[in-house]
Amino acid sequence: KAGVTQTPRYLIKTRGQQVTLSCSPISGHRSVSWYQQTPGQGLQFLFEYFSETQRNKGNFPGRFSGRQFSNSRSEMNVSTLELGDSALYLCASRQRATGELFFGEGSRLTVL
Amino acid sequence: QKEVEQNSGPLSVPEGAIASLNCTYSDRGSQSFFWYRQYSGKSPELIMSIYSNGDKEDGRFTAQLNKASQYVSLLIRDSQPSDSATYLCAVHTGNQFYFGTGTSLTVIP
Repeated sequence: KAGVTQTPRYLIKTRGQQVTLSCSPISGHRSVSWYQQTPGQGLQFLFEYFSETQRNKGNFPGRFSGRQFSNSRSEMNVSTLELGDSALYLCASRQRATGELFFGEGSRLTVL
Repeated sequence: QKEVEQNSGPLSVPEGAIASLNCTYSDRGSQSFFWYRQYSGKSPELIMSIYSNGDKEDGRFTAQLNKASQYVSLLIRDSQPSDSATYLCAVHTGNQFYFGTGTSLTVIP
């Protein structure tokens, strides 16, 4: 069974640009969450999607947005990038029966 | 007060010893508890989940949950150098996961 797949794995952007990250969950998982991980702040929750609806949202500015498609694939977008947005962005899909979260390998974003 | 707190370490143990990692959480209504292992530069990997009071064993790993005291622990028996990583405690409360900042474990050969 394939795991959570995130693309791209690495990307470099400059301040002011925007970026879109993609996530394909484990087959059969309908819940997808996004997290930002930085050395100083640890794992910070961005948002969760279930059946194309945003079910929960963390404390991030509106520059961070996401969506989920009918096949459960999800994308997140960050507009007007700032240096502080440099981080590892992790997508996780959740198994409904156990509630367990499974993470993808992440997308490492560097903003110059 | 943070939702989930862990001692950041670093925690060093000799090879073959027992490593003990602890986590406390603030919401008494929390129902599900998880331990993740994260190697440097990699993503978190689920190693244990526990839902009820007591111990749950899986190979060299034992998770312990005490809801009355609001703590979760992870014991790693016969620690190996390959266990050197950061261990994240996660708690599912309401409709959200909360993660601790992790405990860095080093197993010394």
